[in-house]
Amino acid sequence: DAGITQSPRHKVTETGTPVTLRCHQTENHRYMYWYRQDPGHGLRLIHYSYGVKDTDKGEVSDGYSVSRSKTEDFLLTLESATSSQTSVYFCAISTTSGGFNEQFFGPGTRLTVL
Amino acid sequence: AQKITQTQPGMFVQEKEAVTLDCTYDTSDQSYGLFWYKQPSSGEMIFLIYQGSYDEQNATEGRYSLNFQKARKSANLVISASQLGDSAMYFCAMREGPRGSTLGRLYFGRGTQLTVWP
Repeated sequence: DAGITQSPRHKVTETGTPVTLRCHQTENHRYMYWYRQDPGHGLRLIHYSYGVKDTDKGEVSDGYSVSRSKTEDFLLTLESATSSQTSVYFCAISTTSGGFNEQFFGPGTRLTVL
Repeated sequence: AQKITQTQPGMFVQEKEAVTLDCTYDTSDQSYGLFWYKQPSSGEMIFLIYQGSYDEQNATEGRYSLNFQKARKSANLVISASQLGDSAMYFCAMREGPRGSTLGRLYFGRGTQLTVWP
């Protein structure tokens, strides 16, 4: 499972509150990603990181920020949660095992914003 | 424009039969990779199979094979001898960029819900 954990696994919060989701990996992978999954949309990229303190935006980055101060941790922050951010959030890492960059996913965090 | 299109929201197949899940893609890159993931009701994303754009043969992994038709830009997943445990959501995804490029983010389709009945 590439040693990826996400915390919390479930969270219910209220509109307007800040929320931080954590992704932790144990295998020193350089590339990490945050996706959100919504019915009818598949998975969409929020932000990604290509190293410590190196991050960039994905296709649905509005309302989200990220930080990566250590190789093993990639944090996703919703500064002021909205109901449209109710979703399942997946963290992923990218590895070149087998000669191609397979992406392994964490178990996901189900976030509900009331 | 959608980079990955999965036109079948749901598919049904009888146990032990084969089933094909459709996927078409859109890219102007010459080098890219195509992936299929399985998501059971428990929610985890499970990697199934990979096809590189320069791979001459269709990828196979056990009961999974990828029917890669480059000119038609299609990458259909074929599951042979379906089992009840194959019931899940299946996602097609694409990475643009050369093989081994770990920067490449994945573009996902909307998924196909496969139901296998006895």
